[in-house]
Amino acid sequence: DTAVSQTPKYLVTQMGNDKSIKCEQNLGHDTMYWYKQDSKKFLKIMFSYNNKELIINETVPNRFSPKSPDKAHLNLHINSLELGDSAVYFCASSPRQDYYEQYFGPGTRLTVT
Amino acid sequence: QQQVKQSPQSLIVQKGGISIINCAYENTAFDYFPWYQQFPGKGPALLIAIRPDVSEKKEGRFTISFNKSAKQFSLHIMDSQPGDSATYFCAASKETSGSRLTFGEGTQLTVNP
Repeated sequence: DTAVSQTPKYLVTQMGNDKSIKCEQNLGHDTMYWYKQDSKKFLKIMFSYNNKELIINETVPNRFSPKSPDKAHLNLHINSLELGDSAVYFCASSPRQDYYEQYFGPGTRLTVT
Repeated sequence: QQQVKQSPQSLIVQKGGISIINCAYENTAFDYFPWYQQFPGKGPALLIAIRPDVSEKKEGRFTISFNKSAKQFSLHIMDSQPGDSATYFCAASKETSGSRLTFGEGTQLTVNP
């Protein structure tokens, strides 16, 4: 059983397109996150939701919009994709927002051409 | 502003040797210091973590040493094995920010057979 899953695993698209990445966790956790890992492997948090409520919103372009339909799912929609959006995007979850350990998904490699 | 600085960027060790990765932090409010291990094509996974009330924590071949006055902590991998080859990230968090993790830049460890 996959604890944190993401789809798709790879995404290749052209500049200007709109795309979505989906994340699901079956751990029963309350808190979910989106991270961006750039080409130098630097990991940076983008968003966090706790029980469908946005609790962390880092300095991210408005083109990025997270949505949490329920506490087991957190999707990331990106409008007007740019070359600089190319990265690996990781979803993660933790039991609650004050619980430090986070469980990461396998990542989605986004390539914008 | 990079609040957690990690070194070295890459490390090559012979099988059976000791791997040492260092991190330094700036924010004295940080109260949780985990290390994450990431294999190629996978998401990061928690390896070991420490809180500032202890100076050392050991789990199997992995040890965290923590120096609160110097604001530094390090990961030691004893008897390094080729299977330990991965990217290692230190991170830090503070209770008042919930589970927001600030990651170091990562260290690519290669253990030669």
